[in-house]
Amino acid sequence: AQSVTQLGSHVSVSEGALVLLRCNYSSSVPPYLFWYVQYPNQGLQLLLKYTSAATLVKGINGFEAEFKKSETSFHLTKPSAHMSDAAEYFCAVSLHGSSNTGKLIFGQGTTLQVKP
Amino acid sequence: GAGVSQSPSNKVTEKGKDVELRCDPISGHTALYWYRQSLGQGLEFLIYFQGNSAPDKSGLPSDRFSAERTGGSVSTLTIQRTQQEDSAVYLCASSKDRGLYNEQFFGPGTRLTVL
Repeated sequence: AQSVTQLGSHVSVSEGALVLLRCNYSSSVPPYLFWYVQYPNQGLQLLLKYTSAATLVKGINGFEAEFKKSETSFHLTKPSAHMSDAAEYFCAVSLHGSSNTGKLIFGQGTTLQVKP
Repeated sequence: GAGVSQSPSNKVTEKGKDVELRCDPISGHTALYWYRQSLGQGLEFLIYFQGNSAPDKSGLPSDRFSAERTGGSVSTLTIQRTQQEDSAVYLCASSKDRGLYNEQFFGPGTRLTVL
């Protein structure tokens, strides 16, 4: 069965510093991969998605992620953190195939704190 | 345009009561998903609709949970005889298709508290 592991439930960075949020997946076939962000008391918003077109994916708000099949990873990065990036981030997978429904399997989430 | 809306935004109920949670997806989106977000379990898939049919109900935690979708649009998630462990935020999402690689758009959620 597929699963997603996010290393680190809490990550704290200083404003202007590199953001690195880790995600590893377990799947018998390469899945579709997503990063979502959730601001307090709001729903989830898609940051970016990997659908096998390119291994380096650029998303909104300056975020990007690189799919590494050999490492089964899809880590999220941003070169310079802003205070507005403070939120909870979720990595998710869904499987290919006509029998698959597109349901998302989520990691446990990583709360990003940005210090001034 | 309008996004996914959910109502109520908050619901407090007593143990043993039934509750109904509503989701209005984005117009034209054929796929609709319900998820549950709780402290202990994280974000979990509950049920998937394609049109008015639910080909995947594998995430419903017990037979107290049911859902329906009418007119290929509005969906209602019903929890009968609520228990304290049902307390969570219930999120609805819709997508143009099965959402395999189409973006799922999420509503703001309904926070359910069972006393």
